[in-house]
Amino acid sequence: AQSVTQLGSHVSVSEGALVLLRCNYSSSVPPYLFWYVQYPNQGLQLLLKYTSAATLVKGINGFEAEFKKSETSFHLTKPSAHMSDAAEYFCAVRTKAAGNKLTFGGGTRVLVKP
Amino acid sequence: DTGVSQDPRHKITKRGQNVTFRCDPISEHNRLYWYRQTLGQGPEFLTYFQNEAQLEKSRLLSDRFSAERPKGSFSTLEIQRTEQGDSAMYLCASSLEGGSEKLFFGSGTQLSVL
Repeated sequence: AQSVTQLGSHVSVSEGALVLLRCNYSSSVPPYLFWYVQYPNQGLQLLLKYTSAATLVKGINGFEAEFKKSETSFHLTKPSAHMSDAAEYFCAVRTKAAGNKLTFGGGTRVLVKP
Repeated sequence: DTGVSQDPRHKITKRGQNVTFRCDPISEHNRLYWYRQTLGQGPEFLTYFQNEAQLEKSRLLSDRFSAERPKGSFSTLEIQRTEQGDSAMYLCASSLEGGSEKLFFGSGTQLSVL
């Protein structure tokens, strides 16, 4: 079985500060890992994905994530938050063993303070 | 790439009524997924199609739910005898099959059952 846990349902950061969103996964086989962002009244948009190539993955809008197998983690970071980063972020896992479905975490809502 | 479109954006219905949602995927995508998202939660997998074949259904999908993709293009999701617990955002996504396939999501249909 595959599962994802996102620590912290809400995160508040100041504009210009580091954004760190935590994601831990559970999988008995090598996973594909994803981060999606959802802006209000919009669908989910892919930020980045890990596919067993480089462990440090760079995505859109200045976000990056690092795959750490020993910690079963795939935390998302951005060095300097912008007001436009206010949104909900979802970590997701997919494995061939579990078919083709994505399993999402519960999401982390990011609030950016001026 | 016109994106994934879903219709309607919002649906309000009375308990016991039937509702049908439509999803038009990106034209060259052969896979189509339905997810359900409730407030404060990550999307939950419901079912997916490869071309016109429905390959997997979640145990979340009761007998009152049925999905079709008759010609391998658009898909419909029908809920019969709606219950208040069916109130949620229903998301559609499409993709090209592949190991790390990227899902493109529509903006969803928000269902409210009164």
